Amino acid sequence: NAGVTQTPKFRVLKTGQSMTLLCAQDMNHEYMYWYRQDPGMGLRLIHYSVGEGTTAKGEVPDGYNVSRLKKQNFLLGLESAAPSQTSVYFCASSYRPITGELFFGEGSRLTVL
Amino acid sequence: GENVEQHPSTLSVQEGDSAVIKCTYSDSASNYFPWYKQELGKRPQLIIDIRSNVGEKKDQRIAVTLNKTAKHFSLHITETQPEDSAVYFCAADTGRRALTFGSGTRLQVQP
Repeated sequence: NAGVTQTPKFRVLKTGQSMTLLCAQDMNHEYMYWYRQDPGMGLRLIHYSVGEGTTAKGEVPDGYNVSRLKKQNFLLGLESAAPSQTSVYFCASSYRPITGELFFGEGSRLTVL
Repeated sequence: GENVEQHPSTLSVQEGDSAVIKCTYSDSASNYFPWYKQELGKRPQLIIDIRSNVGEKKDQRIAVTLNKTAKHFSLHITETQPEDSAVYFCAADTGRRALTFGSGTRLQVQP
């Protein structure tokens, strides 16, 4: 039982490049989330999903796209990376919305030069 | 949208002392307030939560208090130990079916 797994764990991009972060969970959770963590700003919600085939915008969605084609996977895409997207990205899942415990992945550190 | 403010941003205490971290929120409709702990280089993990129908909840050395009228809640850690050193995040529920987190408090327990 791996819980929540994120790949890759580290990535360096040049401005304008694209990439996809993959989040996989094996707990059969309906709800999945992508957060970014920046110094002094806590965890900010980028996008989330309440089930397979659904996605919704969070607090800071601009510059990101997501897809939830399979229940266990939640992908975060950057179409044209910018230095402002340098951050640590955390995926999380929960068995129910809001009051369900968030199970986080280990994080993915992205640097955009 | 929901705004959650957390203070202080850093806190240093001596081992054995108590630590208190405070959060305020803006949405009076919020009903769920969890606290997450993130050790250095690790993922955040839930340590305690409270719902709006109670004013206090304890779990061994940690406790959370909630004042819905004033819209603030606090984390209390007693008899602090070096392993309590971490970043602590408060959060509150929003209308988006997701949590809004505070900016975090870095707690350092000096041995």
